[in-house]
Amino acid sequence: GAGVSQSPSNKVTEKGKDVELRCDPISGHTALYWYRQSLGQGLEFLIYFQGNSAPDKSGLPSDRFSAERTGGSVSTLTIQRTQQEDSAVYLCASSAGPSGYTGELFFGEGSRLTVL
Amino acid sequence: AQSVTQLDSQVPVFEEAPVELRCNYSSSVSVYLFWYVQYPNQGLQLLLKYLSGSTLVKGINGFEAEFNKSQTSFHLRKPSVHISDTAEYFCAAHSSNTGKLIFGQGTTLQVKP
Repeated sequence: GAGVSQSPSNKVTEKGKDVELRCDPISGHTALYWYRQSLGQGLEFLIYFQGNSAPDKSGLPSDRFSAERTGGSVSTLTIQRTQQEDSAVYLCASSAGPSGYTGELFFGEGSRLTVL
Repeated sequence: AQSVTQLDSQVPVFEEAPVELRCNYSSSVSVYLFWYVQYPNQGLQLLLKYLSGSTLVKGINGFEAEFNKSQTSFHLRKPSVHISDTAEYFCAAHSSNTGKLIFGQGTTLQVKP
């Protein structure tokens, strides 16, 4: 596609349920990032993929969070047993070169998650 | 550990006044530096970047930033702001060691008429 596409754009769920957030990066982009943006907070790094592998998972807040990327393209961020503190906007970004050497990350519009 | 600090959470300024948004980074390795902007209800977009070369970098919408290695700073400036510049601005640093792009907490620029 022309840009980074994320779905769903909005998700309301009950505490304890699992959710899946999807990111479809720009075609040909090898690097893919997930960030979390909470109200009044900055962008919290979650995980970074180069191809299908994730060299850095250090940002995942707990073992309830996991992410995968298949075929060097689409990525899914899964949150199990959601808690209210998981409520945030989850942003996905992709870049053309390895590790962002080209300089620019292209961001999706985000998936807004609300846990009741 | 790599970190980015934006010294001001909110910067109110009148239209046509100059503005500076401050950013400091810490890293034990060479970094690439960026400013991203997020307009209300929109996604993030790149404002400008420093990869190498001239330490004064010009970006879109009349913004510029200066890389100062000795002070580990990358402050963003604009000589005359417009109402349309009202947005959240994020400074970011990328480390070639980790491949990670780390963002600061963000600065809300509020331009008043």
